Amino acid sequence: GAVVSQHPSWVICKSGTSVKIECRSLDFQATTMFWYRQFPKQSLMLMATSNEGSKATYEQGVEKDKFLINHASLTLSTLTVTSAHPEDSSFYICSATGTSDYEQYFGPGTRLTVT
Amino acid sequence: QQQVKQSPQSLIVQKGGIPIINCAYENTAFDYFPWYQQFPGKGPALLIAIRPDVSEKKEGRFTISFNKSAKQFSLHIMDSQPGDSATYFCAASPGYSSASKIIFGSGTRLSIRP
Repeated sequence: GAVVSQHPSWVICKSGTSVKIECRSLDFQATTMFWYRQFPKQSLMLMATSNEGSKATYEQGVEKDKFLINHASLTLSTLTVTSAHPEDSSFYICSATGTSDYEQYFGPGTRLTVT
Repeated sequence: QQQVKQSPQSLIVQKGGIPIINCAYENTAFDYFPWYQQFPGKGPALLIAIRPDVSEKKEGRFTISFNKSAKQFSLHIMDSQPGDSATYFCAASPGYSSASKIIFGSGTRLSIRP
């Protein structure tokens, strides 16, 4: 149980375009979803926290107009990188917590490359 | 105060050895300390976690030692195997709720030599 999926697993886009990443909790309802970014050989950095039906809370230094987060249902959150630039290339990972326990279950990640 | 300091940055151990990864924190509000294992190109997976009311927790070959007064905790991997080669992250969280943020350490790249 407690499986989180992400789609796509990898994406390449051109500079200036937007790309959407989906995060789904497959077998539980996610009260809260978190979005992280991880650069090569570095740790995970929390970007934002979202709850179903409400606006996401962004960490300091994260541009909310660039990284749009929508938590449309208890099983789906999306991260849209708008007007992507090469410096946005990174590994994006989501996690989710359910109602029965408070563990964060992580998705497999999405590798974004902006050319 | 929100940092979790992790060492070493990398570690090479022979098969069967006991790698030890250390972490330290400052924020006394932290009361949940998970360890995550991450393989290349994958998301992190929870390995083992501890609350500060116990000094040690063991799950299979993995043991967490926790020193509340020193604000330090460590991961020991018994009888290490090549399949344990991965990056390990310690973490801390100020509370155990559905919205609790996790603060990650910088990570330790562990390599187990056959």
